[in-house]
Amino acid sequence: QKEVEQDPGPLSVPEGAIVSLNCTYSNSAFQYFMWYRQYSRKGPELLMYTYSSGNKEDGRFTAQVDKSSKYISLFIRDSQPSDSATYLCAMSAGTSNTGKLIFGQGTTLQVKP
Amino acid sequence: DADVTQTPRNRITKTGKRIMLECSQTKGHDRMYWYRQDPGLGLRLIYYSFDVKDINKGEISDGYSVSRQAQAKFSLSLESAIPNQTALYFCATSDRQISTDTQYFGPGTRLTVL
Repeated sequence: QKEVEQDPGPLSVPEGAIVSLNCTYSNSAFQYFMWYRQYSRKGPELLMYTYSSGNKEDGRFTAQVDKSSKYISLFIRDSQPSDSATYLCAMSAGTSNTGKLIFGQGTTLQVKP
Repeated sequence: DADVTQTPRNRITKTGKRIMLECSQTKGHDRMYWYRQDPGLGLRLIYYSFDVKDINKGEISDGYSVSRQAQAKFSLSLESAIPNQTALYFCATSDRQISTDTQYFGPGTRLTVL
């Protein structure tokens, strides 16, 4: 079993839809939860991160962490064609000196005009 | 200018050839990483380096070697390339002072081994 599981999709939605992207994980030591966005032929870029449980909002994006269920989500409101990309979740235990992130395999999202 | 740069951006080579991919960063980060990305497999860690004298194997290091020439430079070598090393390769950096372990990625190198 992988430490982080993410449905690869693809996920196709109409413009304006609310998108929900999810990851589950098995390591209870994870404390930092990140979402990266990767456009085609580009490197992943950090979209947002959350520490421990709770919600974090940034514009149309909301990251949610439920540590009791080992489940994280990224919601995109009023989705736009420019949101079409692959979204990767990533996690770390933080200051554990490993310096490593554990990535999900990414979900490909297409937002149709 | 990009903070993390990779050269070349695209490379086609033949089986058995030696090839080097280079990564440079201006972020001042001490930690650097090499990943490969394959469809359906996500990002897999090849090697990582916490400073110039500290180099560690990742989950798929066989067939690869690395060199940390300076804090800002980290190169990945394929001593004898084989077709299943065809992939997208990314370099990343992080700062040990930042507790989140957030990593910042370069634009990638698309490698094709014929």
